[in-house]
Amino acid sequence: AQKITQTQPGMFVQEKEAVTLDCTYDTSDPSYGLFWYKQPSSGEMIFLIYQGSYDQQNATEGRYSLNFQKARKSANLVISASQLGDSAMYFCAMRELSSPGTYKYIFGTGTRLKVLA
Amino acid sequence: NAGVTQTPKFQVLKTGQSMTLQCAQDMNHEYMSWYRQDPGMGLRLIHYSVGAGITDQGEVPNGYNVSRSTTEDFPLRLLSAAPSQTSVYFCASSSMTGTYGYTFGSGTRLTVV
Repeated sequence: AQKITQTQPGMFVQEKEAVTLDCTYDTSDPSYGLFWYKQPSSGEMIFLIYQGSYDQQNATEGRYSLNFQKARKSANLVISASQLGDSAMYFCAMRELSSPGTYKYIFGTGTRLKVLA
Repeated sequence: NAGVTQTPKFQVLKTGQSMTLQCAQDMNHEYMSWYRQDPGMGLRLIHYSVGAGITDQGEVPNGYNVSRSTTEDFPLRLLSAAPSQTSVYFCASSSMTGTYGYTFGSGTRLTVV
């Protein structure tokens, strides 16, 4: 079974609009972490935002927010006021315990976002 | 500049050749890992390490070896290259419980012919 599922291979959004990128996860570790990364066409991986499983509030970083619904096991990324520079591939990732004292990071397959002028 | 240094950036190998992808970080991160990125498959974990002398297998370890003799370095060895190993490889590091996620290297584009 997929640990991290991103069901949207591609998305379009109009400039200045908000967009939500979906991510669902599956883990039995009660103390996990969720991350979002951006990969522009240049290829580098850029960390955007983090949500811990025990965090009570949704994480926010500037125009990025993470809509964390623990019971539904979803961690959707919301980008507000989209900009042309937001066009990129976006990856959801989870850090979970793989053995005592050892963590493993698993990535989803990504969503390619295109912002339209 | 602090970060993850990954070399080489590009490499072409012939089937059956071996090579080592180098990865070094200067942030004193305990955790280091190697991923491969293939179209439509996201990043798949090859091997990871939680500290010097400790390594473990990820999702797709076959055909690859790693070692971690120091905190800073985590090389990835391809034992006998196959066309199926054509991919972009990323090295990444983080603190064990960091909320800042990974710091990634710039990637290695490997082609096996």
